[in-house]
Amino acid sequence: ETGVTQTPRHLVMGMTNKKSLKCEQHLGHNAMYWYKQSAKKPLELMFVYSLEERVENNSVPSRFSPECPNSSHLFLHLHTLQPEDSALYLCASSQDLAVNTGELFFGEGSRLTVL
Amino acid sequence: AQSVTQLDSHVSVSEGTPVLLRCNYSSSYSPSLFWYVQHPNKGLQLLLKYTSAATLVKGINGFEAEFKKSETSFHLTKPSAHMSDAAEYFCVVTYNNAGNMLTFGGGTRLMVKP
Repeated sequence: ETGVTQTPRHLVMGMTNKKSLKCEQHLGHNAMYWYKQSAKKPLELMFVYSLEERVENNSVPSRFSPECPNSSHLFLHLHTLQPEDSALYLCASSQDLAVNTGELFFGEGSRLTVL
Repeated sequence: AQSVTQLDSHVSVSEGTPVLLRCNYSSSYSPSLFWYVQHPNKGLQLLLKYTSAATLVKGINGFEAEFKKSETSFHLTKPSAHMSDAAEYFCVVTYNNAGNMLTFGGGTRLMVKP
């Protein structure tokens, strides 16, 4: 069983749809993250949660709504997205927020296509 | 603001030859530096990290990187490339005062020819 599991792996949605991405970590970590990976762009941090509380929100449009019901699960709710939101969305976790000394464990990503 | 630059977007080597992937970071405070690898359709995996201990850092799969403060560089090397090394590699920097922020480089795609 992989440490960080993301579902679905692929998602195609229209601009008016509502969908959710799910992330689950089996590592007992306290921090979880959403990153966006677009072609020809560096990885962009979207949200950070520590012990189920949001600690970082990097000016992400409100059409992306995160939810962290417990320290093992993280969701990204999607609503009225734009075609430029098509990307690979990566979930990651770490033991604590001390990422300067720690390590991020990534899921395999959810490939989102917005038509 | 912290930044990291990967000088080559693509590198192509022959199997069995050395690999050099270049990374430079902005000079500010004391950095922690990482290299991550991403194989096709996979998430990122940590290769190695530098956190102010030994300047030559050894990682998994035979990779190593040397922190050179005078050159603000953290280049990734491997003596002999293997076909399985073909992937995208990301240099990442953070600083003690950067909170939760990891800054990722744009990535270098490594291609290995038989």
